[in-house]
Amino acid sequence: DAKTTQPPSMDCAEGRAANLPCNHSTISGNEYVYWYRQIHSQGPQYIIHGLKNNETNEMASLIITEDRKSSTLILPHATLRDTAVYYCIVRVANWSGNSYGKLTFGQGTILTVHP
Amino acid sequence: DAGVIQSPRHEVTEMGQEVTLRCKPISGHDYLFWYRQTMMRGLELLIYFNNNVPIDDSGMPEDRFSAKMPNASFSTLKIQPSEPRDSAVYFCASSLRAQRYFGPGTRLTVT
Repeated sequence: DAKTTQPPSMDCAEGRAANLPCNHSTISGNEYVYWYRQIHSQGPQYIIHGLKNNETNEMASLIITEDRKSSTLILPHATLRDTAVYYCIVRVANWSGNSYGKLTFGQGTILTVHP
Repeated sequence: DAGVIQSPRHEVTEMGQEVTLRCKPISGHDYLFWYRQTMMRGLELLIYFNNNVPIDDSGMPEDRFSAKMPNASFSTLKIQPSEPRDSAVYFCASSLRAQRYFGPGTRLTVT
């Protein structure tokens, strides 16, 4: 799976949009971009994933550049409860076989939302 | 659904003792994962199962660690004998295709 690069930390004011960048310049054509987050003392939580089109769900939006070498996770109206470590992961969309389990978590971005 | 259930939530034991961590995956999910998280090493995949069969245990640190999944609704991770360096938070996760759902974790302290 391709390696990702994220800033170690970011700040955001409550109520504002939080834009979390991720670089994945070695991404392959069959690799998806996944975002998870981990709130303190909890297990990681799935947020969103996409291949090449922008995606939106009730939690966030995912913007993937046309060349797919980078992406941005957008939390449109950040709240204090969004303070967490955010992980950007790229992996092949293979639902079976030995590669399926290899969802590799890096160091992520520590997002701090302040009042 | 109650989500992935793990027990116990906290475990404190002495070096050399056997430790058993338990996990109940989300009903209907066909994959189950065991992860370990420490400050030094981050989140590491230990082993995962598909339809109760172990697929990849290459992340299991050593023979002191073993995992079983006797049926679709239950899995255990056993450490025997435990050592202080096994102190970590152990997460169980289950999935059905894209999304992986994590449990609340078991915080293990080995003294």
